[in-house]
Amino acid sequence: EADIYQTPRYLVIGTGKKITLECSQTMGHDKMYWYQQDPGMELHLIHYSYGVNSTEKGDLSSESTVSRIRTEHFPLTLESARPSHTSQYLCASSLLAGQSSYNEQFFGPGTRLTVL
Amino acid sequence: RKEVEQDPGPFNVPEGATVAFNCTYSNSASQSFFWYRQDCRKEPKLLMSVYSSGNEDGRFTAQLNRASQYISLLIRDSKLSDSATYLCVVNDDGNQFYFGTGTSLTVIP
Repeated sequence: EADIYQTPRYLVIGTGKKITLECSQTMGHDKMYWYQQDPGMELHLIHYSYGVNSTEKGDLSSESTVSRIRTEHFPLTLESARPSHTSQYLCASSLLAGQSSYNEQFFGPGTRLTVL
Repeated sequence: RKEVEQDPGPFNVPEGATVAFNCTYSNSASQSFFWYRQDCRKEPKLLMSVYSSGNEDGRFTAQLNRASQYISLLIRDSKLSDSATYLCVVNDDGNQFYFGTGTSLTVIP
């Protein structure tokens, strides 16, 4: 079944650690996104990609980096985690414009990150 | 000015009530429109796409008014399980999705 996956679902880690949040999709989508969302607050786009070897920064400044070596995989890395990075991170994917008349986004279940 | 604006609510309605949410968008070139539902601490899930002619899915009706740059969602016969945050989402030429802040709905027994 086509889906979008995120691991880990929950992560508690100490300040200064390097972490990678994984996102994979089996939907055949070219475009992928990372959003950050605090409880009860709106979604903020932090990174997106149009396809392999494409990465772009979103609207919200972020100290994280992303890579897109394979179509299915869009990991997000924090080189040195800080308490201010505590949040929920949501990965999403969609078709590119022109591939469908209505290209909605599909979201993964999210990673809830706590940095102590 | 934000790309997408929604009344954050909260809307507290009794079971069986009809409730309507509104959303405005700023980019007249926007191409696709959606309503998503987000439960507490969960990911957003597509509720319905919004088509130019308006569309209905069971108790849910979505309308689009391109001239006024306005989208609406009507929920009839509200159920307790409808309690969630409803996100208005607009896609420009396909490159970016813009999310509203969400409207919180609580259906009360």
